[in-house]
Amino acid sequence: SYELTQPPSVSVSPGQTASITCSGDKLGDKYASWYQQKPGQSPVLVIYQDTKRPSGIPERFSGSSSGNTATLTISGTQAMDEAEYYCQAWDSGTVVFGGGTKLTVL
Amino acid sequence: QVQLVQSGAEVKKPGASVKVSCKASGYTFIGHYIHWVRLAPGQGLEWMGWINPNSGGTNYAQKFQGWVTMTREESISTAYMELSRLTSDDTAVYYCARDGGIAARDWFDPWGQGTLVTVSS
Repeated sequence: SYELTQPPSVSVSPGQTASITCSGDKLGDKYASWYQQKPGQSPVLVIYQDTKRPSGIPERFSGSSSGNTATLTISGTQAMDEAEYYCQAWDSGTVVFGGGTKLTVL
Repeated sequence: QVQLVQSGAEVKKPGASVKVSCKASGYTFIGHYIHWVRLAPGQGLEWMGWINPNSGGTNYAQKFQGWVTMTREESISTAYMELSRLTSDDTAVYYCARDGGIAARDWFDPWGQGTLVTVSS
C-alpha cells in the first residue's frame, strides 16, 4: 500500500522558516494537501493541490512539490503555528495521510 | 458559511456499535462527497472512507470493509457513519470532512468538530 513519510518533529525559532517534508513514491505526480491540527481542535486545510492556499490562511504558509517530496514551508513562523501537520494524497482511489509532524516553535 | 456539525460524544461497550451523524449546512449537500477520518490517541489521522451524498455510493478503506457503514439522509443534509463490533482500539475522535471538489479526489475542507467515541467495559 502507498505510504507518505513525514519527520516526527521539527523545531524552529520564532521568526524563522520552518520546512516540513512529505515523501512518497512519485508523489510529485499526485496532488498533496496539508492540514494543521492543534490539540483539541479539528484539522484545518492550509495548502491544497501542492501550492494553493485557501482563503483565510496566512501568506506565510506555502507549498511545493517535486519528484518524491512535497514540502510545507512556513515563513516567519509564529508561536501560533505550533501544531501537528499532516500531508495527504490520493493513491488508486484511496486517501493516504502522512504520520504527522509536530512543529515546535522554541 | 459552510459547516459540518457532528453528534455528541459516545461511550460504548466492546462488541457494540456506534452511529455518528454529520449535518451539513451552507452549501448544496449533494454537491460534495463526505469523508470520515479518525484520530486515535497517540496515532495519526486515518481515512475510513467516503459517501457520495447524491447517489449514496460509498468507498471504504480496505481496513474498514465489513464493519463500517456510511449512509446519508438527503432531506436533512446529514451523513452517518456506523462502526460495528467495537473494541478498545476503536477509541478515537471521529471526524467528517467535505471533499473540496465535485468528486472524491480532492482536499478536505471543512472538517466537523469531531465526535469522541470511547469503548470501555
